[in-house]
Amino acid sequence: DGGITQSPKYLFRKEGQNVTLSCEQNLNHDAMYWYRQDPGQGLRLIYYSQIVNDFQKGDIAEGYSVSREKKESFPLTVTSAQKNPTAFYLCASNDRVGYTFGSGTRLTVV
Amino acid sequence: SQKIEQNSEALNIQEGKTATLTCNYTNYSPAYLQWYRQDPGRGPVFLLLIRENEKEKRKERLKVTFDTTLKQSLFHITASQPADSATYLCALVLSNSGYALNFGKGTSLLVTP
Repeated sequence: DGGITQSPKYLFRKEGQNVTLSCEQNLNHDAMYWYRQDPGQGLRLIYYSQIVNDFQKGDIAEGYSVSREKKESFPLTVTSAQKNPTAFYLCASNDRVGYTFGSGTRLTVV
Repeated sequence: SQKIEQNSEALNIQEGKTATLTCNYTNYSPAYLQWYRQDPGRGPVFLLLIRENEKEKRKERLKVTFDTTLKQSLFHITASQPADSATYLCALVLSNSGYALNFGKGTSLLVTP
């Protein structure tokens, strides 16, 4: 079945550490996105990529970095510069009709 | 500033009734609007898309309307069931931002037997 796989499902980070969240899709979609969701809040766009080797900042890109070396993969790194990283992170891809989301990674700073 | 507003209060309805959820937006000129369902701890699931030149879209028990003059979309679930209980998200797609989605905060729907 086609879809988006995010890993890990739960991630714990110590203060000052960088962590990388994985996102892989087998839908052959060109566009991929990263969103952050906080309790009681809507999803907020971190980064997006419309094509391999190209990506754009979203509304809350500070403290995050991405790469798009392969069409199937769009990993997100949460750097130590992100002051409040505890959140639910969602990856999505798009074929201009409906978006397909992964099941999310819950990141907690300990 | 740009805003997408959904009913902040949870909506509680009885099984079999029609649920109506509202999405209002300001300072957007969306290419189209989408509705998603999200269950706790899960990613959103796409339900329906409606374009700016369409007034209404239907899919099984779901109906969406889109009024670009009022800057409002209504999302209806007819003959609601307890399994419809979830949070429903409205999202606008802007053609000038890589077709990224801009989300409202969502409305929680609870359908009781």
